[in-house]
Amino acid sequence: RKEVEQDPGPFNVPEGATVAFNCTYSNSASQSFFWYRQDCRKEPKLLMSVYSSGNEDGRFTAQLNRASQYISLLIRDSKLSDSATYLCVVNPHYGQNFVFGPGTRLSVLP
Amino acid sequence: DVKVTQSSRYLVKRTGEKVFLECVQDMDHENMFWYRQDPGLGLRLIYFSYDVKMKEKGDIPEGYSVSREKKERFSLILESASTNQTSMYLCASSFTAGGNVEQFFGPGTRLTVL
Repeated sequence: RKEVEQDPGPFNVPEGATVAFNCTYSNSASQSFFWYRQDCRKEPKLLMSVYSSGNEDGRFTAQLNRASQYISLLIRDSKLSDSATYLCVVNPHYGQNFVFGPGTRLSVLP
Repeated sequence: DVKVTQSSRYLVKRTGEKVFLECVQDMDHENMFWYRQDPGLGLRLIYFSYDVKMKEKGDIPEGYSVSREKKERFSLILESASTNQTSMYLCASSFTAGGNVEQFFGPGTRLTVL
């Protein structure tokens, strides 16, 4: 089993739609969690950290379920500019090596 | 703003050549990382370093070595390039701290080995 798994997509959604991405991780001792965004032919950039209580940043909501080892990202009111690959990232040990999921590709259509 | 730079955006080398990929960060980060990214496989960690002259193997270190002589610079070396090392190489850096620590990435080097 891979350490971090994601549905590869692609998810093709119309503008204004709500879309949810899921991610599962295998290491129950993992300490911190992130969603990164990667545009085509660009480097990954941090979208948001994921906290145990869940957190929201504008149209984006991240949830963590430690018992099920599951992380989610919800995007509301999708924009064309949200089209990208979304990477689920797990950090088993603070500050050092991260484990990246394979990414979920999102295309928001006009 | 944190800046991570990589020496080349695109590189073409021949099988058997020795290849150096350089990465420099300007935020005094302790940790630096080298990944390769391939379609369908995502980012895979090759090596990382948590201090000058320190290095740790990642998931796929075979065929690679690294050097960290100065805190701001982390080099990836392909001793004898092979066609299966054709890939996008991404360097990243981060602080060492408790809690959620962001990794900052360079723009990547697309390496083609012929």
